[in-house]
Amino acid sequence: NAGVTQTPKFQVLKTGQSMTLQCAQDMNHEYMSWYRQDPGMGLRLIHYSVGAGITDQGEVPNGYNVSRSTTEDFPLRLLSAAPSQTSVYFCASRRQVNTEAFFGQGTRLTVV
Amino acid sequence: AQKVTQAQTEISVVEKEDVTLDCVYETRDTTYYLFWYKQPPSGELVFLIRRNSFDEQNEISGRYSWNFQKSTSSFNFTITASQVVDSAVYFCALSGGVGGFGNEKLTFGTGTRLTIIP
Repeated sequence: NAGVTQTPKFQVLKTGQSMTLQCAQDMNHEYMSWYRQDPGMGLRLIHYSVGAGITDQGEVPNGYNVSRSTTEDFPLRLLSAAPSQTSVYFCASRRQVNTEAFFGQGTRLTVV
Repeated sequence: AQKVTQAQTEISVVEKEDVTLDCVYETRDTTYYLFWYKQPPSGELVFLIRRNSFDEQNEISGRYSWNFQKSTSSFNFTITASQVVDSAVYFCALSGGVGGFGNEKLTFGTGTRLTIIP
């Protein structure tokens, strides 16, 4: 049972490049989310999904796009990377609302 | 709007001392859930505890204990006889409502960095 798997673990992008952070879970959880972690700011919600085909914006959605075509996968797309998107990104899944979240190992992204 | 405040940015204690991490929350929901997560230096986020708003009993798990007080909107975390392995960033988080679209949001505090000095 792998839990929540994120790839890649590290990535360096140039300003303006696009990329997709991958997230997959094998626990059949309906709820999945993406957070970014910045020093002194805790974890902030970017986008979330309550099931396949259903997504919504979180606290800091600008510059990011998501889709949820299957229960297992929830990729996060950076459309045109900016230095302000340098951060550590975490994907999480929950069995149902208000249960504990299980997190991936994180992706450290640097935009130069 | 929900908010979680962890006023202690960094704490250092000598090994074997007890330490309490504070968490104060704000919510308009009558049903809500509180969580604590640990982030060790390796970076992963480890779930520690979940508590719902109707259960104000304190909880103890080994050297860890949690004090939930609705009257002061606090959910504090105490480590007894601290060990070097307890060094980590600890996050308090809040999730609210009884279900439905929008209640997926898990609001985190800014974290407390705990350093245990050998």
